[in-house]
Order: sequence, then C-alpha cells, then structure tokens
Amino acid sequence: DIQMTQSPSTLSASVGDRVTITCRASQSISTWLAWYQQKPGKAPKLLIYKASNLESGVPSRFSGSGYGTEFTLTISSLQPDDFASYYCQQYTSWTFGQGTKVVMK
Amino acid sequence: QEQLQQSGPGLVKPSQTLSLTCVISGDSVSNTRAAWHWVRQSPSRGLEWLGRTYYNSRWYSDYALSVRSRIAINPDTSKNHFSLDLLSVTPGDTAVYYCARAGGSDAFDIWGQGTMVTVSS
Repeated sequence: DIQMTQSPSTLSASVGDRVTITCRASQSISTWLAWYQQKPGKAPKLLIYKASNLESGVPSRFSGSGYGTEFTLTISSLQPDDFASYYCQQYTSWTFGQGTKVVMK
Repeated sequence: QEQLQQSGPGLVKPSQTLSLTCVISGDSVSNTRAAWHWVRQSPSRGLEWLGRTYYNSRWYSDYALSVRSRIAINPDTSKNHFSLDLLSVTPGDTAVYYCARAGGSDAFDIWGQGTMVTVSS
C-alpha cells in the first residue's frame, strides 16, 4: 500500500495568514492526488484534484502543487471559514493522509 | 444536482453483518464515467478506503486488503443505489461510514452524509 504522510498534524494560524500543508507519498503517484476539507460532523469536501486543479465552486485562495511524492496545499489568505481539518488522498489505491487540523492562534 | 443519501442501522452486534445503502440522485450507478466507493473514518484508523464498484461493459468491484475477505459492494440498477455489506464485524469496525462518487476527475467529488455505526452487544 502507498502510505501518505501529512505535516504538520496541527497548524495554528490567524485570519489573513498564508498557510501551507505538506503531503508526502511513499512512492510516486504522478499527480493522482486530491485535497479535502472536513468540518466536524460533516463529510469531507473536495478542494483540489490531480494535484493542482481547483474543484468547481472552491475559492481561489486554495491552491495545490506537486508531482511524484511531494505535494502542498496552500491557502493564500486564511479566512474564518477555513478553520477545519484537511486531508490528502492518493487515488491510485485511495489511501488518505492522517490529516492536518488548522486551528486559531 | 447530484446527491448521495445513506441509510442503514447505527448499531450492529459483534459477528453480525453491517449493511448500508447509498441512494444516488442526479446520476446513475451505471454511469461509465463514475465509480462508487465506501470509506470509513474512526479516531484510530483515520479515513480508510473500503472498496468500490463501477460499470464498464460489465460490473467490477475492488476492495481494500484489510477487509477483502469479508466485504461486498453491490450495485442495484433498478433502485439506482449501491450497498455495502461487511461481515463478521468486531468493535474495531465501529466508525462513521461514507459513500462517495469518483466522477470525471477520479477524485471523490460527491459524498453521502455519513452513518455512525457502532459495533456492540
């Protein structure tokens, strides 16, 4: 199985901050990577697919990059609605990272 | 607008079968450009993919190694839904279970609302 490792596990930030979350795959997955946002009691929501493609309706402050084994999710200016957990997922065999919780500093 | 609506019991006894259904609206379970997945989430395992079914000239299913010996995911074209059966459950199967669609992007673009399933006597 391909293992996905996210860092950090928790990120403290303020509204307006630029936030970056990293995801590392145990072997190359090309660009078969998605990012999801999850709020308590809700299903995950797709933000980014194929590493860098913004899902329809997702604000442009979210962006993704990377190829092979190293990927990043960036929020250019953190908004109050962005405090949530974020997960990467490789979709060659569908494993998820362990998540990054973005909390208020 | 595509939606997935889950149904099924929230409590299952150990050694019994966990059965959930995911009803599709706004799409078809037979859509050759989609696949229909089940995922679960628990504090101990995080988000864990369980399996999928999809149609491409015939029906296919793929399952996670961790549950392969005791899982079945089946489509029902007459009711436009797909189901999850997980056999011989233990307390370790306690989790929130989600159904999801992998659409044209192959990522999970539509999710069900989630069902909390507790395995306990």
